[in-house]
Amino acid sequence: DAKTTQPTSMDCAEGRAANLPCNHSTISGNEYVYWYRQIHSQGPQYIIHGLKNNETNEMASLIITEDRKSSTLILPHATLRDTAVYYCIVRALTGANSKLTFGKGITLSVRP
Amino acid sequence: NAGVMQNPRHLVRRRGQEARLRCSPMKGHSHVYWYRQLPEEGLKFMVYLQKENIIDESGMPKERFSAEFPKEGPSILRIQQVVRGDSAAYFCASSPRITPDEAFFGQGTRLTVV
Repeated sequence: DAKTTQPTSMDCAEGRAANLPCNHSTISGNEYVYWYRQIHSQGPQYIIHGLKNNETNEMASLIITEDRKSSTLILPHATLRDTAVYYCIVRALTGANSKLTFGKGITLSVRP
Repeated sequence: NAGVMQNPRHLVRRRGQEARLRCSPMKGHSHVYWYRQLPEEGLKFMVYLQKENIIDESGMPKERFSAEFPKEGPSILRIQQVVRGDSAAYFCASSPRITPDEAFFGQGTRLTVV
């Protein structure tokens, strides 16, 4: 079972920042927070991951709270092509627990 | 560096036939994960393999399904005696190490059982 909870859906205007929240209150000390997205039944696409510190790459920023019980994925300038289902996943370091367990995700709709 | 390659992209089988789905991981990747996505549903973990070993098969149905990742060649997900309920998209992902590297997904094989 997924260890994260996300809202079912949200929308934002094109060109604006999209802030996608995620709760993971039972996260363990050795578990990372990963974000993937799936655009229209394509293969899931990796976005970003982090452990404690905030992270940024060319796609997005990941803000993790100090207690690590929640995080926010930020798409700084959403485009229509960012419309997708976004999955927040916690992933352990070792063995069988290293698999990615997908929940229902949040459907982001970017409107013109 | 080619991405994760899955073939075929689309596969049609009649009930009772066998389906063989192939996944070639990215170069240098020795970990493979298989997922199934039923229509309008989320991705469900099936099996996690390293070269010649099954690490976690907790998501595999008990019957008709098997997976392997031989020393040479692609990973194979085999479904014997397919039924209509097996119709789904099957995705595989590969990673070079357990963590913290990201796992890269292929574009999936869409199996239709008629």
